[in-house]
Amino acid sequence: AQSVSQHNHHVILSEAASLELGCNYSYGGTVNLFWYVQYPGQHLQLLLKYFSGDPLVKGIKGFEAEFIKSKFSFNLRKPSVQWSDTAEYFCAVKDYGGSQGNLIFGKGTKLSVKP
Amino acid sequence: NAGVTQTPKFRVLKTGQSMTLLCAQDMNHEYMYWYRQDPGMGLRLIHYSVGEGTTAKGEVPDGYNVSRLKKQNFLLGLESAAPSQTSVYFCASRTGGQMNTEAFFGQGTRLTVV
Repeated sequence: AQSVSQHNHHVILSEAASLELGCNYSYGGTVNLFWYVQYPGQHLQLLLKYFSGDPLVKGIKGFEAEFIKSKFSFNLRKPSVQWSDTAEYFCAVKDYGGSQGNLIFGKGTKLSVKP
Repeated sequence: NAGVTQTPKFRVLKTGQSMTLLCAQDMNHEYMYWYRQDPGMGLRLIHYSVGEGTTAKGEVPDGYNVSRLKKQNFLLGLESAAPSQTSVYFCASRTGGQMNTEAFFGQGTRLTVV
């Protein structure tokens, strides 16, 4: 079964610091990869997604992620974080197994940005 | 366009009580999913449906039942609630047919079982 690992449980940064959140997945074939963000008390919103093509994917709010197939990684980056980026971030991979495109989620990384 | 709507948003149950969570989507999506979110566990799939009248088990189906009588609605039932079912429940939907489509999530239902 596919799995997703997020390296950091909680990251604390000051405003304007650069961000990189790690994500590794286990599946060796074709993958669809996603980053979702969950602001406090809200539902999950899609930040960006990778299906094919350019491995550097740009999403909303200045976020980007790079798909590195050889490393099974899809790390999320932002050059300069803002206080409003405080949220929980989930990496997900689409399961090509039996659940018809179910998303397999990592355990999430909480980001706290200090003003 | 409301997207994915979950009701209720909050609920407190006593152990042994039953309840149904409703998920409604207005995007004509074929696939619908129920997840539970617990601290440090991410989201785990409970049940899913690939179309009206069909359901299937996900990763953590025990203690839950689902029904998809109408394409736009996906119901999650707890027949006899247990404290271990205290969680935040999210519904999601997406178009079917092609694999490379994103899922849209509802606002969540926070359930506490005492």
